[in-house]
Amino acid sequence: DAKTTQPNSMESNEEEPVHLPCNHSTISGTDYIHWYRQLPSQGPEYVIHGLTSNVNNRMASLAIAEDRKSSTLILHRATLRDAAVYYCILRATTGANSKLTFGKGITLSVRP
Amino acid sequence: DSGVTQTPKHLITATGQRVTLRCSPRSGDLSVYWYQQSLDQGLQFLIQYYNGEERAKGNILERFSAQQFPDLHSELNLSSLELGDSALYFCASSGASGRGTGELFFGEGSRLTVL
Repeated sequence: DAKTTQPNSMESNEEEPVHLPCNHSTISGTDYIHWYRQLPSQGPEYVIHGLTSNVNNRMASLAIAEDRKSSTLILHRATLRDAAVYYCILRATTGANSKLTFGKGITLSVRP
Repeated sequence: DSGVTQTPKHLITATGQRVTLRCSPRSGDLSVYWYQQSLDQGLQFLIQYYNGEERAKGNILERFSAQQFPDLHSELNLSSLELGDSALYFCASSGASGRGTGELFFGEGSRLTVL
C-alpha cells in the first residue's frame, strides 16, 4: 500500500476553519484518497474521499493538489465534537472490496 | 449508529483462554473486515471476508481465526490468549462494488482484556 504522511497533532479554535494536511508522494494513478476519523472511544467513521478533483460533503471538503502528491482535509467551522484522530488513507478502488490501511493519523484538538 | 453490531462490548479473560467475538454487518453488506487496535500498534488490519470467502489477510496471528457465515455475520476466534492480545477489536462492513462510496462502516468495537 502506498504510504501517507501526516503531522502528529494539530490544535484549532472552535468555530474556526481547520486544514489538515496529508502527503502521499508515491500515490499511483488508481489510488483514491480517503479520510476517516476516530472520535474517542468510538470506531472510525468515513469523512470524505476523492480522486483528482476537490470534493465537498456535509462534513468536510477535500482539496487535492494538481499532482496528487498531497491533499488537505478542510473542516469549515471546527466544533468540540470534531476533536478526533483523522486518518488519510490511499485506497486502490472505491469499490467495497479493498481493505483500508490506517497509519497513525493526526490528532486534532479543538479549543473552546 | 453505523448499523454494524459487535458483541460483546467488553470481555475480560485469562491468559491461555479462547474467546469469540461476533460481528453483524449492516443489512446487505457483503464484506466484513476485522481490525485490532492497541495503544502501541494503532489500527491493524487482520482479515477480510466477502460473501463468505476470505478476501484479504493482514497481520493476523495463527492463534486467531475468523469466518463469515451464510447470513453474513462474522466471528473472530482468539485462542491461547496472551497479555499482548488485550486490545480493541473492530469489525467493519461495506457494500457490494458500485454501491455508495465504498466506505467502511465500523462497529463500536469489542474491548478485550487478558489478565
